[in-house]
Amino acid sequence: ETGVTQTPRHLVMGMTNKKSLKCEQHLGHNAMYWYKQSAKKPLELMFVYSLEERVENNSVPSRFSPECPNSSHLFLHLHTLQPEDSALYLCASSLGLADSYEQYFGPGTRLTVT
Amino acid sequence: GQNIDQPTEMTATEGAIVQINCTYQTSGFNGLFWYQQHAGEAPTFLSYNVLDGLEEKGRFSSFLSRSKGYSYLLLKELQMKDSASYLCAVRGGGGNKLTFGTGTQLKVEL
Repeated sequence: ETGVTQTPRHLVMGMTNKKSLKCEQHLGHNAMYWYKQSAKKPLELMFVYSLEERVENNSVPSRFSPECPNSSHLFLHLHTLQPEDSALYLCASSLGLADSYEQYFGPGTRLTVT
Repeated sequence: GQNIDQPTEMTATEGAIVQINCTYQTSGFNGLFWYQQHAGEAPTFLSYNVLDGLEEKGRFSSFLSRSKGYSYLLLKELQMKDSASYLCAVRGGGGNKLTFGTGTQLKVEL
């Protein structure tokens, strides 16, 4: 059973809606990540947080806004999205940012923008 | 930047051995990961290589050659449940990011 949970698992939203994705890790990790996974494309890193501080913002449009209130929780706030933003959004965590630390992924939120 | 190449699809027979290759180009290298992802599920960690050579873990082994920018994942005694996408990911480059390949979809047949 994964130690990383994500809600909701599926989300359909219109382009004018505002919604939030939630991620929670129960592993005692200090780093958390948001990835976007689109069909036929590699996993794309969006944001990295370490000890609740954002350390990476990978040229993501401002319509995606992350929030990390503590080391166990990570949110992705969504507003005025585009249809091309439809994808699987994966959250991950790792013990820290050291090279060898593997990332543990949540099951993802399947987002459809209509 | 970083570039990672792996085959899009592979098919193998139950009980056989399959090798999934991954080649990469990166301005700096700090390790290579393999993940398994079943359809509709989260990627799960399989292996990490940072030094040249073979790392064995049960039915799965992973090999790395840093000088050739090459890795492979070897799956032995294939089972139907091994049908999944196998993702190669390299840490390195600017910002020491973890960059993923597009994944190799493996289908195991009877």
